[in-house]
Amino acid sequence: EAGVTQSPTHLIKTRGQQATLRCSPISGHTSVYWYQQALGLGLQFLLWYDEGEERNRGNFPPRFSGRQFPNYSSELNVNALELEDSALYLCASSFGIWGEKLFFGSGTQLSVL
Amino acid sequence: SQQGEEDPQALSIQEGENATMNCSYKTSINNLQWYRQNSGRGLVHLILIRSNEREKHSGRLRVTLDTSKKSSSLLITASRAADTASYFCATGPMDSSYKLIFGSGTRLLVRP
Repeated sequence: EAGVTQSPTHLIKTRGQQATLRCSPISGHTSVYWYQQALGLGLQFLLWYDEGEERNRGNFPPRFSGRQFPNYSSELNVNALELEDSALYLCASSFGIWGEKLFFGSGTQLSVL
Repeated sequence: SQQGEEDPQALSIQEGENATMNCSYKTSINNLQWYRQNSGRGLVHLILIRSNEREKHSGRLRVTLDTSKKSSSLLITASRAADTASYFCATGPMDSSYKLIFGSGTRLLVRP
């Protein structure tokens, strides 16, 4: 069974550009979560999608947005990139709205120059 | 803001020794989970303990939960070099936000 897959693995952008990160959850999982992990720090909750709807978002500006597609894959968009957006972006999936155990992808390392 | 805070931030031990990591949190929780992260990549779920449980075991892992003190500990017995990683606690809140809040992690180094 395939795990959570994220693409691309690495992404290099310049300040002001837009970045799009993609995530495919484990087959059968309906919830997708996005977390940001700045270098050497813990995970900050970004967004939670379930059944195509945004269920909750963390304390991030509106330029962080996303969506979930009918096949439950998800996309995270970051507009007007800033240097401090450089981080590892982790996607996780779970079964149902309260998946007690999260399954993580390997992440997308976003570097903003 | 972080819900959980791990202590210590970093821990270095010799192979074969036990490693203990602690986690403190602020609000009421539904459950508490521990995850492991190797080399800054994806996290792997280790163990989940519910708010009405006090202790749980899984292989060489032992987790305790004290809801009165809002704290948890993760014990790794007979550590191995392969246990070298960062360990995070994550709390599942009682409210309907359904989001796990992660702590800042403990970096464990097991020396061969």
